[in-house]
Parts: sequence; structure tokens; C-alpha cells
Amino acid sequence: NAGVTQTPKFRVLKTGQSMTLLCAQDMNHEYMYWYRQDPGMGLRLIHYSVGEGTTAKGEVPDGYNVSRLKKQNFLLGLESAAPSQTSVYFCASSKDVQPQHFGDGTRLSIL
Amino acid sequence: SQELEQSPQSLIVQEGKNLTINCTSSKTLYGLYWYKQKYGEGLIFLMMLQKGGEEKSHEKITAKLDEKKQQSSLHITASQPSHAGIYLCGADRSWGGGADGLTFGKGTHLIIQP
Repeated sequence: NAGVTQTPKFRVLKTGQSMTLLCAQDMNHEYMYWYRQDPGMGLRLIHYSVGEGTTAKGEVPDGYNVSRLKKQNFLLGLESAAPSQTSVYFCASSKDVQPQHFGDGTRLSIL
Repeated sequence: SQELEQSPQSLIVQEGKNLTINCTSSKTLYGLYWYKQKYGEGLIFLMMLQKGGEEKSHEKITAKLDEKKQQSSLHITASQPSHAGIYLCGADRSWGGGADGLTFGKGTHLIIQP
């Protein structure tokens, strides 16, 4: 039982490049989330999904897109990366009103 | 929007001493969660509080939610090196169990000195 798995763990991009971060959970959770963590800012919610085929905007959605084609996967896309998107990205999942389970994070640097 | 303020921002404690971390909300808390994060790693769930006056303990860590549900405290008794890390409080963004995500405080960095 792996829990929440994020790939890749590290990535360096150039400004303007695109990429997709993958989050996979094997706990059959309905809800999935993408957060970013920046120094002095704490964790902020980017997008979330309450079920397969659904997505919704969080606090800081601009510059990101998401998809939830399969219940176990939640993808976060950066269409045109900007230096302001340098951050540590965390995926989380939960079921009903239970606490969220977090992945180990993806460290993304944009030059 | 709801804001969570954690205090202190950082804390250096001698091993064996007790300590308290506070989390104060600008609005009534529907659900309050405490997480621990080791540097460079993900968040580990510690405790969840939902009812005013609720108190939960796990090993040497106790968390409380005040009656008005606007402040929570995390207390560690007889601190150990394994307690070092970043402690984060998170709250449901809205009523309904937090399906629409959590709002987090900025964290408290805890260092345990031997």
C-alpha cells in the first residue's frame, strides 16, 4: 500500500516550458488536492477534485490546469512555466470527512 | 477568507522540556487538523479536532480546540529529538467536512536541543 505517490520528485524547467505532475493514490479516495508550499506562505490550495471527472479551483489556480480522468490519478499541468511557479508541490487525498493523506512532494524549479 | 495564524513561528527547546504551539483562526473553525512535516518531506497527520472543547492525545502530544472554536493548541510533553520539524495547523475551508480543501497556517519550526 503506497498511499499517495507523486512523480517526479524533482524537476528543473526553463521559463515557458510545459510539464505535468502526476499524483496517484491507491486508497480509493474520492477527494484529491494539489497544494503548493512556499517559504513564508505556508501551503496554498491550487485545485481540487471531489470525484472522477470533476475539478474545481482553489486559492491560487492561475497558471495551472488539472484533470481527473481516473479516480486514482490527479494531474497538475503547467502550460507555460514561470519563475513564480518555483515551489514544492504537494498532492493529497481523502475520503469523506477523514484527514487528508499527503504525498512526499515535487520540488520544481523554473529558471 | 479564513486565515490561520500560528505562534510562535519558530521554537528552540531543550530536550525534555514541554512546549506549546498555538493556532488562531479569524473565523469559527469547522474542523482543525494538526500535521507534522520533517524538512524536505511530506506532511504526516497528527490529530483532528471538530468539537469545541475537544482534546486529543497521542503519545506525548496533546491537541485542544477551545470552546469558541477559534483557537487550537498543540502541547508536547518531555520533548525528544524526534519531535523536531515543522508543525502545521490546517482548517476546513468550509462547512461540510473539508471536501473543498484546507487552509493552512504558515507553520511552526521546532528545534530540539540535546
